Amino acid sequence: GAVVSQHPSWVICKSGTSVKIECRSLDFQATTMFWYRQFPKQSLMLMATSNEGSKATYEQGVEKDKFLINHASLTLSTLTVTSAHPEDSSFYICSARDTGGLNSPLHFGNGTRLTVT
Amino acid sequence: AQSVTQLGSHVSVSEGALVLLRCNYSSSVPPYLFWYVQYPNQGLQLLLKYTTGATLVKGINGFEAEFKKSETSFHLTKPSAHMSDAAEYFCAVSPMDSNYQLIWGAGTKLIIKP
Repeated sequence: GAVVSQHPSWVICKSGTSVKIECRSLDFQATTMFWYRQFPKQSLMLMATSNEGSKATYEQGVEKDKFLINHASLTLSTLTVTSAHPEDSSFYICSARDTGGLNSPLHFGNGTRLTVT
Repeated sequence: AQSVTQLGSHVSVSEGALVLLRCNYSSSVPPYLFWYVQYPNQGLQLLLKYTTGATLVKGINGFEAEFKKSETSFHLTKPSAHMSDAAEYFCAVSPMDSNYQLIWGAGTKLIIKP
């Protein structure tokens, strides 16, 4: 079945550094990918919608310059947390839908746990 | 292993009819429970969640869900379906001993017939 691979699964970085998270659709093409952030014991918060070949659409309150999203191909979207701070520590997850359209199922990555020290 | 099962990848109901989307989970510890909805061309939105307290939880757009520990279920219902309810619905659980992890069901596409 369709798989979304998210890498790394966990990362620890120092404050002020940048971290890149990759989201790959392994056996299907994804025109649209979604990036979410989850705080402990809370629900997911949609950060942005990533469209292949165009700029991402960010949700209100999400800093575009801090959370850089690139969707350069139909199988890869990346989220870069720039100049990370401890408050950016969270769980980030991506999801993707096959280009087959809205009838195609939505697939989730396993998530990335980011800890900023 | 912990898992979430949503019965039926597609559910079709007539407009005005009762909506029932089923979710069963297996978890070694009591979980937090969530229902999310994804409308066409949009990201996931939280419909409702159960953490503690009253087992019948009311959410947005007239939806509600009841946590039944004995049945390990968290079914989503709405008394009267609207055309605008057509979307994909996802059940997720987060074990109370986990800070972040959400375990997802496979999703159910709700189809509303005129």
